[in-house]
Amino acid sequence: NAGVMQNPRHLVRRRGQEARLRCSPMKGHSHVYWYRQLPEEGLKFMVYLQKENIIDESGMPKERFSAEFPKEGPSILRIQQVVRGDSAAYFCASSTGRDEQYFGPGTRLTVT
Amino acid sequence: KQEVTQIPAALSVPEGENLVLNCSFTDSAIYNLQWFRQDPGKGLTSLLLIQSSQREQTSGRLNASLDKSSGRSTLYIAASQPGDSATYLCAVMGNAGNMLTFGGGTRLMVKP
Repeated sequence: NAGVMQNPRHLVRRRGQEARLRCSPMKGHSHVYWYRQLPEEGLKFMVYLQKENIIDESGMPKERFSAEFPKEGPSILRIQQVVRGDSAAYFCASSTGRDEQYFGPGTRLTVT
Repeated sequence: KQEVTQIPAALSVPEGENLVLNCSFTDSAIYNLQWFRQDPGKGLTSLLLIQSSQREQTSGRLNASLDKSSGRSTLYIAASQPGDSATYLCAVMGNAGNMLTFGGGTRLMVKP
């Protein structure tokens, strides 16, 4: 059973470009979460999705950030017009419900 | 708002020692608590999950306890090994919602 998969593992973008981060949950998991780990800071919740629905986006910045989890395919975290402050590690996790969350290896975004 | 604190922030011990990592949380209305391990530049590996109704969980040399009323959890590592060197994170899930709130982590170094 493959774990949570994220790609790309590393992503470099210039200021103003768009970043697209992908997450495939573990097989059988329909709950997906995105967390962000800024340099020298702890992990912070961003958004929680189920298939085709955003359940909780209370941790998502109001502008430039969006997330989706379509009926088919991976969950996507999209950051428009990236700025240097968006440089961080972005982790995706999945679960079957209100139980153990399993994390992917992360995408390390660097904005130059 | 839930806040999670981990003490100490860093710990260095000689190989073979038993050690205790501490986690405290401000809101005792939790659904579960999860301990993770994070290696440098890598994702999170789930170690133990304790439901709010449980007092402890064990896996191999690891034992996690939970005292919900006092807002505390401890992770006990027996007979530490250099391979245990990593950052250990605790995270709580509240009674409302599926998001995890993370502590800042304890960076553990086990010296041969």
